Amino acid sequence: AQSVTQLGSHVSVSEGALVLLRCNYSSSVPPYLFWYVQYPNQGLQLLLKYTSAATLVKGINGFEAEFKKSETSFHLTKPSAHMSDAAEYFCAVSAVYSSASKIIFGSGTRLSIRP
Amino acid sequence: DADVTQTPRNRITKTGKRIMLECSQTKGHDRMYWYRQDPGLGLRLIYYSFDVKDINKGEISDGYSVSRQAQAKFSLSLESAIPNQTALYFCATSDPWREGYEQFFGPGTRLTVL
Repeated sequence: AQSVTQLGSHVSVSEGALVLLRCNYSSSVPPYLFWYVQYPNQGLQLLLKYTSAATLVKGINGFEAEFKKSETSFHLTKPSAHMSDAAEYFCAVSAVYSSASKIIFGSGTRLSIRP
Repeated sequence: DADVTQTPRNRITKTGKRIMLECSQTKGHDRMYWYRQDPGLGLRLIYYSFDVKDINKGEISDGYSVSRQAQAKFSLSLESAIPNQTALYFCATSDPWREGYEQFFGPGTRLTVL
């Protein structure tokens, strides 16, 4: 079975500050890991994904995430927040070799940016 | 043009009414999914389909049914809508040959059941 826990339903940072959104996963098999972003009134858009090629994954809009197997974590970071980063972010996991290709989503973290 | 489209984008209906939400895709993907999103709960899988003849229940299928009319079309029906089905509904597609099985989402349908 797989699960995802996102720590903090709401994170607020100042413009220009570091963004850190936390995600821990549980998986009995090697995982694929994702971060999706949802802007207001829009669907989910893939930010980045981990597929075992490299533990540090770079995504769109300056975001990156690091896969740490020993900590079962996949935290999302961005060095300098921009007002346009305000959105809801979802961490998700699926299983390598999964015949169903299902993705399990976390409950989401809403990111607010203070001017 | 959007790769995954959903209609309608917004719908208000009354308890007991039958509702159909439609999803179309031009990505050529075989796999399609329906999710509902509720505040604080993330996305939960309702149904998924591997092809026209292969439909599977997700974690919260009670009260819902689906129809896969063609590779490109996947509809979600609420036979008798109830207020706790008020939510944001998303359709998604995936390519099983694409490493990671990432899914591509439509813009969502906001459904309100009064």
